[in-house]
Amino acid sequence: DIQLTQSPSSLSASVGDRVTITCRASQDINSYLAWYQQKPGKAPKLLIYAAFTLQSGVPSRFSGSGSGTEFTLTISSLQSEDFATYYCQQVKSYPPTFGQGTKLEIK
Amino acid sequence: EVQLVESGGGLVQPGGSLRLSCVASGFIFNNYYISWVRQAPGKGLEWVANIGQDGSEENYVDSVKGRFTISRDNAENSLYLQMNSLRAEDTAVYYCARTREYVGHDYWGQGTLVTVSS
Repeated sequence: DIQLTQSPSSLSASVGDRVTITCRASQDINSYLAWYQQKPGKAPKLLIYAAFTLQSGVPSRFSGSGSGTEFTLTISSLQSEDFATYYCQQVKSYPPTFGQGTKLEIK
Repeated sequence: EVQLVESGGGLVQPGGSLRLSCVASGFIFNNYYISWVRQAPGKGLEWVANIGQDGSEENYVDSVKGRFTISRDNAENSLYLQMNSLRAEDTAVYYCARTREYVGHDYWGQGTLVTVSS
């Protein structure tokens, strides 16, 4: 199975900050990577797919980059509603594994 | 509006069985793969299984192979997960999610909680 390692596991930041979360894959997954946001008690929400394609309706302050084994999710200017847990997922091969998550908290 | 609504969760003893259901609306159901993804309390996400558009393809994570069976009824816009030989480590919220190959899960239900405990 392909392992995904996110860093950091948790992050404290302030409204207006620029934040970057990294996801590293144990083998080449081309650009077959998705990013999700999950708020407490809610289902995950797809933010980005194919490494950098913004899902419809997602604010443009979210962006994704990378290919191969290293990927990043960037939030250009944090808003209060962005404090949540973020997960990456590889969709190149079965099973489609998730990273362990990055919890983004208010500083 | 795309909607997915799960049901069937509950408390079951170790070794027992449970059948989860997911009813979809707002899209052409038989055009999409559908997946089950679970989340143990306080833990991360784990993909469990998916099924192809016509039900002929099924995929499972190793930890549930031989115990869980995914199925669908396209006439009823419904997805199912038959879970047998349940273990404590199967305790989780189970989500059904519309799935696009090589994209991910673009719509999710609200989840249904399965608790395996004596």
